[in-house]
Amino acid sequence: GENVEQHPSTLSVQEGDSAVIKCTYSDSASNYFPWYKQELGKGPQLIIDIRSNVGEKKDQRIAVTLNKTAKHFSLHITETQPEDSAVYFCAASKMGTSGGSYIPTFGRGTSLIVHP
Amino acid sequence: NAGVTQTPKFQVLKTGQSMTLQCAQDMNHNSMYWYRQDPGMGLRLIYYSASEGTTDKGEVPNGYNVSRLNKREFSLRLESAAPSQTSVYFCASSLRDPRYGYTFGSGTRLTVV
Repeated sequence: GENVEQHPSTLSVQEGDSAVIKCTYSDSASNYFPWYKQELGKGPQLIIDIRSNVGEKKDQRIAVTLNKTAKHFSLHITETQPEDSAVYFCAASKMGTSGGSYIPTFGRGTSLIVHP
Repeated sequence: NAGVTQTPKFQVLKTGQSMTLQCAQDMNHNSMYWYRQDPGMGLRLIYYSASEGTTDKGEVPNGYNVSRLNKREFSLRLESAAPSQTSVYFCASSLRDPRYGYTFGSGTRLTVV
């Protein structure tokens, strides 16, 4: 099955700095890579995703990059703000498949702390 | 507001007690899931229901049972709670195509003493 590794487990930055979270996956058939943000006391919420036919995707201050050859993908947050403080999860899944194989495999999460 | 509703939000059980965690979604999603979240372990899938009438085991099903009551509701039952089941439990739902992402509930914090 799929295995997703996520690093670092904790990331501390100053407000205004950039933050990068990296994930690797093992199954070359995975083709959909979502990122979730979990604020304290809440459930994870989808913030951005990328498909395997795209190398990079941006949405305001966040961007994701994907390297299919190396099987790794990253989340980039620029101009961080205190409200970006949360736990971030990456995931990998296979679109268009049957059975349970479409279900995402999640990384273990990164706790991002943005200091004012 | 539309979304995934979990009850209860907090629960304390004694070892050996049983309980059912309830989950309901009003987004007409086909698929529903139960996860547990433990420190440093991320989100681990307990059971899922790809569509009404079907359920399947996930990564960590031992000690749990589920029921897909109808398209909206998916419950998780602990028959004989153990301290190892102390965790935060999340229910989620999705369309069959995961590209539309999961919608998670706000979680149930369960402590087994």
